[in-house]
Amino acid sequence: AQSVTQLDSHVSVSEGTPVLLRCNYSSSYSPSLFWYVQHPNKGLQLLLKYTSAATLVKGINGFEAEFKKSETSFHLTKPSAHMSDAAEYFCVVSDNTGFQKLVFGTGTRLLVSP
Amino acid sequence: KAGVTQTPRYLIKTRGQQVTLSCSPISGHRSVSWYQQTPGQGLQFLFEYFSETQRNKGNFPGRFSGRQFSNSRSEMNVSTLELGDSALYLCASSLAEGTGNLLAKNIQYFGAGTRLSVL
Repeated sequence: AQSVTQLDSHVSVSEGTPVLLRCNYSSSYSPSLFWYVQHPNKGLQLLLKYTSAATLVKGINGFEAEFKKSETSFHLTKPSAHMSDAAEYFCVVSDNTGFQKLVFGTGTRLLVSP
Repeated sequence: KAGVTQTPRYLIKTRGQQVTLSCSPISGHRSVSWYQQTPGQGLQFLFEYFSETQRNKGNFPGRFSGRQFSNSRSEMNVSTLELGDSALYLCASSLAEGTGNLLAKNIQYFGAGTRLSVL
């Protein structure tokens, strides 16, 4: 079964500094991986997806993620944090057994201080 | 295009009651999935509907059920509510094109959710 592990429950950064949110995946095949963001009292918004094309994936709002098969990782980065980036971020793997089912990590809360 | 619409946004019910939540997918999307989000358990898959048929179901009791209509709109129902059913219920829709690995690449678009409080 596929799974993802988010290594940090909370990450705190200062505005203007880089962001790194870590995610490891477990899958016996080439996975489809996603990062979603959830702002307070809102639904989930897709940041980016990896589906076995380029290993470096660019998303919205300056975020990007790199798929590293050797490390089974899919870490999310951003060069410079903005106050509006404060939210919860979810690393997600998509089931490939014939259904539309997402398996979520436990989430990383990103705190951005001025 | 309009996004995924969930109604109502907030609900307050008491134990033992039942509740119905509604989800209108993005136009043209054939798959609707439901997820439950709680602080303790995180985001968990409830079930997926495709062409009015439930294709997959998560590990939830039979009190949780759903259906999909011919226009792809979906409802989920929870009967005999328990305090532990208090959660944010999210619905997602996708084109659901392809099979296997191709199907897995489809993006799921989420609604804003329905927050259910059981007193």
